[in-house]
Amino acid sequence: QKEVEQDPGPLSVPEGAIVSLNCTYSNSAFQYFMWYRQYSRKGPELLMYTYSSGNKEDGRFTAQVDKSSKYISLFIRDSQPSDSATYLCAMKGTGGFKTIFGAGTRLFVKA
Amino acid sequence: EPEVTQTPSHQVTQMGQEVILRCVPISNHLYFYWYRQILGQKVEFLVSFYNNEISEKSEIFDDQFSVERPDGSNFTLKIRSTKLEDSAMYFCASSETTAAEQYFGPGTRLTVT
Repeated sequence: QKEVEQDPGPLSVPEGAIVSLNCTYSNSAFQYFMWYRQYSRKGPELLMYTYSSGNKEDGRFTAQVDKSSKYISLFIRDSQPSDSATYLCAMKGTGGFKTIFGAGTRLFVKA
Repeated sequence: EPEVTQTPSHQVTQMGQEVILRCVPISNHLYFYWYRQILGQKVEFLVSFYNNEISEKSEIFDDQFSVERPDGSNFTLKIRSTKLEDSAMYFCASSETTAAEQYFGPGTRLTVT
């Protein structure tokens, strides 16, 4: 079983739709959960950073972590064509240095 | 807004040559990292560096790789004898603490021919 599983997509939605992106993981030691956005041949850009279980909202983005199910989600409200990118989930444990990434989900938002 | 910078943006080298990839982390950050992303694959951790020494490394980071902080601002990744399979995007990242967010640079695209 992979440490972090993420559906690579692609996911295509119309402008204005609510987008739901998800990852599952197997390592119960993970405590920090991140979502990064990556445009083609660019560096990952941090969108959301959460610790342990719960919800966090920032503008049009909401991150949810359910540690009991080992499941994390990112919701994008009122999606825009500029949101078209690859979204990477990532996670790490307490006291560890390395971050483990999912494969990334390619999102296309059609105008 | 402070950001991580990396040079060069693209490096082409021949197999067997040494390359040095350079990074300037965010100035008040103490923890530095290198990651690699082969085209079409996931971002993979290579190494973390704190207080002038390696704090953690992956199995990818073998003897052909080394890292250094030669001065107060730069952080480098050296690949001693490049192989074709070293062709990838290399990302530098930095963070204030181990618990804090890691911010990534724009990457160096390494092409080994």
